[in-house]
Amino acid sequence: EIVLTQSPDTLSLSPGERATLSCRASHSVSSNYLAWYQQKPGQAPRLLIQGSSTRATGIPDRFSGSGSGTDFTLTISSLAPEDFAVYYCHQYGTSPRTFGQGTKVEIK
Amino acid sequence: QVRLQQWGAGLLKPSETLSLTCAVYGEFFSNNRWTWIRQAPGKGLEWIGDINHTGSTDYSPSLRSRVSMSVDTSKKQFSLRLRSVTAADTAMYFCARGLVVARVVGHNRYYDFYGMDVWGQGTTVTVSS
Repeated sequence: EIVLTQSPDTLSLSPGERATLSCRASHSVSSNYLAWYQQKPGQAPRLLIQGSSTRATGIPDRFSGSGSGTDFTLTISSLAPEDFAVYYCHQYGTSPRTFGQGTKVEIK
Repeated sequence: QVRLQQWGAGLLKPSETLSLTCAVYGEFFSNNRWTWIRQAPGKGLEWIGDINHTGSTDYSPSLRSRVSMSVDTSKKQFSLRLRSVTAADTAMYFCARGLVVARVVGHNRYYDFYGMDVWGQGTTVTVSS
């Protein structure tokens, strides 16, 4: 099983600041099948990035993903008020599919 | 516009069977991986497993002994059953579409995966005596 470890657990930032979230895999992620999801309280997760770096439909370009192999990054270039949420990375290249434990981006 | 709508019993007693169904609206029931995920209160996301339109399944090893999934292509629905539930199975359960697109190159067919792009609204399941 591929274990995904996200860091930090919590990121305290102000609107307009840049957010950098990390996801490290215990083994190489097949075909860079690494996705990022955003989840707000009481809602289903929303797909932001798939294939490590491709934005999903309708996702603003302030969200970007990068990385390959075992190290991946989600960057939010300038935090909007609606971006404060929990973010999960997810690998879907190898069974069992797994999620990271999440990074909470909170208002400082 | 694809939409998923899910339903099922929300309150169970220990040892009972959890049963949830997810209906797919707005698309042809094709190569996708129809997925179940759960989230315990205050915790992260846990992949339960998935199924495709032919009924081919893939389950989480930690739940494999108790879980089964099925698909009804005529109704465009897929279902989850989890046997012998305990309080540890209390969670929000989500269905989702794992988008898969087939492409043909020469005589070969390849499948590209695009993550879980459409989600159901979630069903709260509580296990309590």
